[in-house]
Amino acid sequence: AQSVAQPEDQVNVAEGNPLTVKCTYSVSGNPYLFWYVQYPNRGLQFLLKYITGDNLVKGSYGFEAEFNKSQTSFHLKKPSALVSDSALYFCAVRDGSYNFNKFYFGSGTKLNVKP
Amino acid sequence: DAGVTQSPTHLIKTRGQQVTLRCSPKSGHDTVSWYQQALGQGPQFIFQYYEEEERQRGNFPDRFSGHQFPNYSSELNVNALLLGDSALYLCASSSGPRNTEAFFGQGTRLTVV
Repeated sequence: AQSVAQPEDQVNVAEGNPLTVKCTYSVSGNPYLFWYVQYPNRGLQFLLKYITGDNLVKGSYGFEAEFNKSQTSFHLKKPSALVSDSALYFCAVRDGSYNFNKFYFGSGTKLNVKP
Repeated sequence: DAGVTQSPTHLIKTRGQQVTLRCSPKSGHDTVSWYQQALGQGPQFIFQYYEEEERQRGNFPDRFSGHQFPNYSSELNVNALLLGDSALYLCASSSGPRNTEAFFGQGTRLTVV
């Protein structure tokens, strides 16, 4: 069975400080991992993905994520947060063993960046 | 280049009614997936359409059905609406059912009263 856990409902960080949004996953096959961001009344915007290769993945808007197979984690990070980063962040996993896109999403983490 | 477009943006229906939501995929995409996002939760996979056929389905009852047209656009139909069907319905498109580059629309907010 596939699942994603985002243990924090909300993360608060001051502008300019580094941020981390946590994600752990469970998948029976090869994990394909994704981060999406959602602004109010909007759909999901793709940030980055891990399919294979380097464990550190760089994405849009200065975000990056580190794949850790032993800890089954894929935490989202940014060295210096901006107020405009405030949004809802979703981690998702897809089982790469299957030939179709069926994403399993976490429950989301609300990121608040304060000036 | 238009991205994924969904219509309508908002909809209010009465319990027991039927509703149809529409999705036009991003130009060049031929695969459409539908997700339900209840308030405070992450999106849940409903089903995926490719080559005008339902290819995969999540844990949703038969009241949820869909269709894909030759131009790759898609409809999501929900019959006998329940209060619990109130949610944001998201459409995602990709070039092929395995392509991990999935683009999401802005969603349709369905409220059942």
